[in-house]
Amino acid sequence: AQSVTQPDIHITVSEGASLELRCNYSYGATPYLFWYVQSPGQGLQLLLKYFSGDTLVQGIKGFEAEFKRSQSSFNLRKPSVHWSDAAEYFCAPVATGANNLFFGTGTRLTVIP
Amino acid sequence: ETGVTQSPTHLIKTRGQQVTLRCSSQSGHNTVSWYQQALGQGPQFIFQYYREEENGRGNFPPRFSGLQFPNYSSELNVNALELDDSALYLCASSLQGGHGYNGYTFGSGTRLTVV
Repeated sequence: AQSVTQPDIHITVSEGASLELRCNYSYGATPYLFWYVQSPGQGLQLLLKYFSGDTLVQGIKGFEAEFKRSQSSFNLRKPSVHWSDAAEYFCAPVATGANNLFFGTGTRLTVIP
Repeated sequence: ETGVTQSPTHLIKTRGQQVTLRCSSQSGHNTVSWYQQALGQGPQFIFQYYREEENGRGNFPPRFSGLQFPNYSSELNVNALELDDSALYLCASSLQGGHGYNGYTFGSGTRLTVV
């Protein structure tokens, strides 16, 4: 069965520190991969996506993600976190031929001064 | 360029009632998808409409139904409301069906509470 796992329910980092949010997927074929962010009371915003090609993907707001086929992972990173990055982050694969996102349970990021 | 607009923002209904949620898609987008997000969970796919036809459905019962209009706006209807239907309902628009090559544009959602 297809699944996506975000192992960290809640992460707290200091402002200016680096960040890595983990995402692991289990699909028969490599899915398309998306990261979305949801700020309190807001809808979701696309941070970045991976379809094929270069395994290091750059997104908005200084985020990047690395696709690792051997580990079935698509981890999100940011070198220096800002207080405004506090939000919920969702990894969302799309199976080949599917037309919908399958969201993980999310990782809540808290940023402390 | 306008984004995705959902109405109402909040709603309280009684178990057994029916509810209609509305969504105006982003200008130029012809596809609307609906997601249900329970508290503390990721969004779950309900269904998608493309050119006024249902274009995929998640694991939701038939009492969840939808419509898409010629201007690409959409409605989500839920009959015989249950307490577990309490959630944030998100509408997302995209172009040309599917998952949206450039990603969806999400609305801010309708918070439905069933009592």
